[in-house]
Amino acid sequence: DIQMTQSPSSLSASVGDTVTITCRASQDINKYLGWFQQKPGKAPKSLIYAASRFFSGVPSKFSGSGSGTDFTLTITGLQPEDFATYYCLQYSAYPYTFGPGTNVDF
Amino acid sequence: EVQLAESGGGLVQPGGSLRLSCTASGFTFSDYYMDWVRQAPGKGLEWVGRGRDKASGHTTEYAASVKGRFTISRDDSRNTLYLQINSLNTEDTAVYFCARRGGRDASGYFYDFDYWGQGTLVTVSS
Repeated sequence: DIQMTQSPSSLSASVGDTVTITCRASQDINKYLGWFQQKPGKAPKSLIYAASRFFSGVPSKFSGSGSGTDFTLTITGLQPEDFATYYCLQYSAYPYTFGPGTNVDF
Repeated sequence: EVQLAESGGGLVQPGGSLRLSCTASGFTFSDYYMDWVRQAPGKGLEWVGRGRDKASGHTTEYAASVKGRFTISRDDSRNTLYLQINSLNTEDTAVYFCARRGGRDASGYFYDFDYWGQGTLVTVSS
């Protein structure tokens, strides 16, 4: 199975900050990576697919990059509604696997 | 508007069974692959499995942790995806979400996991 790691596991930030979350796959997954935002008690919200492409309605402050094994999610100009947990997911090969998550808080 | 609504969760004893449903609206359900994802209390997301569309023979894929105990099926006439869960144990306690694999963009990439339901809670306890 492909293992996904994320760093950091948590980070503290302030409104207006720019933060970067890294996701690493244990083997080459090309660009088959998604990013999701989740708030407590809510369903995940889809942000990015194919490593760098936006789902409809996702603001441009979110950006994704990478291919192969190393990927990043950058959030520019953090707003209060952006404080959440972020997960990456590889869908290059079954079984699909999520990263452990990165909690972004104050 | 695309909507996914899970149902069927509840309290079940260890060793019991449950069938979860995911009812879809706002799109042609029969044309889309669908996934199940779960989240144990206070834990991260775990992919459970996928059910492919009719064109792909309604074939399925599963995570190793559930293979042999969980079965994904669908009734396209009812726009509904199912997850049959057998031999439940306490580690299966989780919120279960369904999600859709959308169509392809102009570059040929699928909009994987573009829409999610709100989830249904399964609690396994004696």
